[in-house]
Amino acid sequence: AQKVTQAQTEISVVEKEDVTLDCVYETRDTTYYLFWYKQPPSGELVFLIRRNSFDEQNEISGRYSWNFQKSTSSFNFTITASQVVDSAVYFCALSEVEGGTSYDKVIFGPGTSLSVIP
Amino acid sequence: ETGVTQTPRHLVMGMTNKKSLKCEQHLGHNAMYWYKQSAKKPLELMFVYSLEERVENNSVPSRFSPECPNSSHLFLHLHTLQPEDSALYLCASSQERGRRAFFGQGTRLTVV
Repeated sequence: AQKVTQAQTEISVVEKEDVTLDCVYETRDTTYYLFWYKQPPSGELVFLIRRNSFDEQNEISGRYSWNFQKSTSSFNFTITASQVVDSAVYFCALSEVEGGTSYDKVIFGPGTSLSVIP
Repeated sequence: ETGVTQTPRHLVMGMTNKKSLKCEQHLGHNAMYWYKQSAKKPLELMFVYSLEERVENNSVPSRFSPECPNSSHLFLHLHTLQPEDSALYLCASSQERGRRAFFGQGTRLTVV
């Protein structure tokens, strides 16, 4: 069965510190997608990144970077020089590619609540 | 602005009331989803509609009844809810498998 674990429930950092949010997943499939979403207090989930299982290249987008390692089934997310606006709940998610369907069955992790203190 | 709009944003209802949540997307997506987000629990997928047909129902109690009249609209009809049904209900849509889902801002439901 597929499962996403985010062991860190809550993290607090001081502004300008770097912070890494951990994500470990379980799946039987060889083809799957991994996502990170941000949920600010307004409630809506904001898409950050999608990675497919065949692309293990790490990615950097501004202050955000992601480290995908299939060998350890991890997809960690690092924020460099954190800012107060980064305060939110961050969700890691997994979608297995089920044959013959036109929709995603996305499983979300429990989320990590990040507080950046000025 | 994500392209997915949910109304109302907040709803308080009694256990004997009947209400409906509405979700609307004009992104041309062919799949729409209802998720439930309770305090201290992961997002739970409730229902999936693909091409206006319900294709997933994750053992959701019958007091929740979804409806998808067309590809742009999704409803969640509520009746005789329980206090434990209080949660944030999120609607999402996507174009095809593996593509990012677009989420609405959710309806914060409180059952009293």
